[in-house]
Amino acid sequence: DAKTTQPTSMDCAEGRAANLPCNHSTISGNEYVYWYRQIHSQGPQYIIHGLKNNETNEMASLIITEDRKSSTLILPHATLRDTAVYYCIVVEWGAQKLVFGQGTRLTINP
Amino acid sequence: EPEVTQTPSHQVTQMGQEVILRCVPISNHLYFYWYRQILGQKVEFLVSFYNNEISEKSEIFDDQFSVERPDGSNFTLKIRSTKLEDSAMYFCASSEAGTGYGYTFGSGTRLTVV
Repeated sequence: DAKTTQPTSMDCAEGRAANLPCNHSTISGNEYVYWYRQIHSQGPQYIIHGLKNNETNEMASLIITEDRKSSTLILPHATLRDTAVYYCIVVEWGAQKLVFGQGTRLTINP
Repeated sequence: EPEVTQTPSHQVTQMGQEVILRCVPISNHLYFYWYRQILGQKVEFLVSFYNNEISEKSEIFDDQFSVERPDGSNFTLKIRSTKLEDSAMYFCASSEAGTGYGYTFGSGTRLTVV
């Protein structure tokens, strides 16, 4: 079973920042937080991952709380193409699989 | 940007028939995976493959499933005797150095068993 809890759905206006929360209260010290997204029925797309420090790349920023029990994925300037299901996944480094939950369906509105 | 290529994009097969789903992972990747997604449900792990052998498989990956890397570029999933409940999107993925470095997924093969 997935070790994360995410809201089922969220809406965001185009051009605004989309902030997607994720709870992972049982995360252990050697587990990382990964974010993937799935646009329509395409294959999931890797976005970002982190252990305990905040991370940023060209797609998004990841903010992990100090106790590591929750995190937030930030899409700084959401576009219509960011409409997708976003998955927060906790996984041990070196694990052989990802366990997907139901994710958050993010809808970007014009 | 390098891609994982899957063929065919859609396959329809009769129940009981064998199907082979094909994938071309990214060329310098060493870890290969198959996942599936039944319509409206979660993405589910099937199998991981490294160094020419299965490194982990799920309960779904029973004796009717097999994987193979027949040459240096292809990675295949064979379903020996398809059932109606095998109808799903099947995603191939590859990774340069395991789960920790993030996967690249293909666009999937939609398998319909009739």
